[in-house]
Amino acid sequence: GAGVSQSPSNKVTEKGKDVELRCDPISGHTALYWYRQSLGQGLEFLIYFQGNSAPDKSGLPSDRFSAERTGGSVSTLTIQRTQQEDSAVYLCASSLTSGRVRTGELFFGEGSRLTVL
Amino acid sequence: QQQVKQSPQSLIVQKGGISIINCAYENTAFDYFPWYQQFPGKGPALLIAIRPDVSEKKEGRFTISFNKSAKQFSLHIMDSQPGDSATYFCASLISGSARQLTFGSGTQLTVLP
Repeated sequence: GAGVSQSPSNKVTEKGKDVELRCDPISGHTALYWYRQSLGQGLEFLIYFQGNSAPDKSGLPSDRFSAERTGGSVSTLTIQRTQQEDSAVYLCASSLTSGRVRTGELFFGEGSRLTVL
Repeated sequence: QQQVKQSPQSLIVQKGGISIINCAYENTAFDYFPWYQQFPGKGPALLIAIRPDVSEKKEGRFTISFNKSAKQFSLHIMDSQPGDSATYFCASLISGSARQLTFGSGTQLTVLP
């Protein structure tokens, strides 16, 4: 596809379960971001991948959250032992190069809506 | 230092009116200020952006006004249309070193027909 693809679009899980959210960025984009958007709230930065560099994990809220990016393309965000406060829309974004990031032009997917019961 | 404060949280405007959304920042190192538009069920998309070397940028009905001394910038939507109803996020970036955008909390705009 032409845009950033995320799956699943909706996920309902029980408290304590682990979940995996997937992001397939735009082909050729070297930078990949995960953001979290809680209901009626802004966009909270979680993690950033740029090429082969070590990821910027400074936004991860706890050690229950982790992410990986395989082969410089697809990324998976994993939330272990989910809690009700983890309920949110998880947005993935990609950008062409770090140079493009400087223009603030991120391309977002439609998000994965997570509901923890 | 990294915070961007956005107001109002919600805004209702009549069709044809002017919508104004304001943002204020603290970190003087920010040097790029994009606005993102988000429709329900969609991800945010870049709408318009400005650098602090200009005081205003206009693209169609959308204008960013920038006040460097006050550390404020605003989005003006002229002749607002129902199709403009969306959530708008301001953001700030340090071009030389930032790896992420700092987003405002968002403004939900409703344009009444």
